[in-house]
Amino acid sequence: EVQLLESGGGLVQPGGSLRLSCAASGFTFSSYAMSWVRQALGKGLEWVSSISASGTSTYYADSVKGRFTISRDKSKNTVYLQMNSLRAEDTAVYYCAKLTAWYGDTGTYFDYWGQGTLLTVSS
Amino acid sequence: EIVLTQSPGTLPLSPGERATLFCRASQSVSSSYLAWYQQKPGQAPRLLIYGASSRATGIPDRFSGSGSGTDFTLTISRLEPEDFAVYFCQQYGSSPYTFGQGTKLEIK
Repeated sequence: EVQLLESGGGLVQPGGSLRLSCAASGFTFSSYAMSWVRQALGKGLEWVSSISASGTSTYYADSVKGRFTISRDKSKNTVYLQMNSLRAEDTAVYYCAKLTAWYGDTGTYFDYWGQGTLLTVSS
Repeated sequence: EIVLTQSPGTLPLSPGERATLFCRASQSVSSSYLAWYQQKPGQAPRLLIYGASSRATGIPDRFSGSGSGTDFTLTISRLEPEDFAVYFCQQYGSSPYTFGQGTKLEIK
């Protein structure tokens, strides 16, 4: 059974940093690209970032480019999202999602999602 | 980026009825790379349909998807109580991935 367990959310002041983690199990982690998708409370879904299976290719939404960094550790079956220069508009539930192929670019969709972790950016 | 517009915003129906949800793209979605997800309150989205019309593993056959180009449809043939939720469409044929704003299927 595929499981994705996010952690690391919390309350951060504007301008601050935080790192989210997503521990994966139930599939061959090193064979699939992974993503982060966020959802502001009561709002729709917004793709944030993706990383290829090997970790060599990364992709970002314009809204987070230059501030967020996605990475993965195959020894821990974990994907991370390092978030810097946080803004109030980054407040959302962040979901980790598994893609259906090794590449993280177009042509692949999200087949499994974690339960999410809440980030609140506020002073 | 491709903007996806879902309609209606809210759809009040009764169990046993047929539901038809629409998703319109601002430009053609290449290779019918369109997915549908179901989300219940406090839960993560669940994949229902990919490739516009292929059901994901374990999804009942009362769910079906159709369409191509810019117009896509999700149909639920006979609503069960557990089907009342929010449904999102998503295109994955063009970067960045984008989602529709959602259709809330509520009990009438």
